[in-house]
Amino acid sequence: AQSVAQPEDQVNVAEGNPLTVKCTYSVSGNPYLFWYVQYPNRGLQFLLKYITGDNLVKGSYGFEAEFNKSQTSFHLKKPSALVSDSALYFCAVRDRDTGRRALTFGSGTRLQVQP
Amino acid sequence: KAGVTQTPRYLIKTRGQQVTLSCSPISGHRSVSWYQQTPGQGLQFLFEYFSETQRNKGNFPGRFSGRQFSNSRSEMNVSTLELGDSALYLCASSLGSGGGYTFGSGTRLTVV
Repeated sequence: AQSVAQPEDQVNVAEGNPLTVKCTYSVSGNPYLFWYVQYPNRGLQFLLKYITGDNLVKGSYGFEAEFNKSQTSFHLKKPSALVSDSALYFCAVRDRDTGRRALTFGSGTRLQVQP
Repeated sequence: KAGVTQTPRYLIKTRGQQVTLSCSPISGHRSVSWYQQTPGQGLQFLFEYFSETQRNKGNFPGRFSGRQFSNSRSEMNVSTLELGDSALYLCASSLGSGGGYTFGSGTRLTVV
C-alpha cells in the first residue's frame, strides 16, 4: 500500500520569506512523487515531479522540492513567497515498481501568504 | 496545446438519478484517470483507462463506472446517485509511461 502524509493543515508565511510545505510518503517500491497546487473552484495544477536522478527538483513558479530517500520525504520549498502563492497544495505518490498507476494524495496543506 | 477538457463544469442532480461526466484528454495522451475530491475524504482514485481498457480501479462501489473511446475520450457514469456522491470529479491524462499527469478543471456534482 502507498500513503502520503502532509502533517500541516495550514502554513502561514509573510511575503518575501521562504516557505516549506512538508510531505512524507510510504511505498513498497521506488516512488514517483508529485506536487500539485489547487486554486479555488479549479482543478489541480502541476508544479513538479521526481522520477529519478537528481534529488533536487525544480518546478514551475520558482518552486522546488528535495527528495530524501532515507527520510522518505519530499518537501516543497520556495525561497521567496508571493501573495499569489496562497492556495491548497497536494503531494502525491505512485509506486514506480508496480503496474498500479493510481496516484495517492496527501490531505493537502493550505498555504497563506500574508502581505 | 489544448489541456484536459471536462464537461459539464457544474451539475445538479436528484438522489436516485444517474449522471455521465465527460473528459477529453490532451491530444496524444492515451491514459485517462478519474479522481473524486470531497472535503471529508480528500482526493481518491476512481479508475484509470488506457487504450480503451480499464487498467486500475479504486475502492468505489459498482455504481461508479467508466469507459474510454478509441479517440481516448473518457466518460464516467454514476448510477443511483446518493447525497454522498456530491464532489468535484477530476480527470487526469498522461502519456501512459512514467510521466506526469495533467488534470482538468473538474466537474462539480451536487446531489440534492
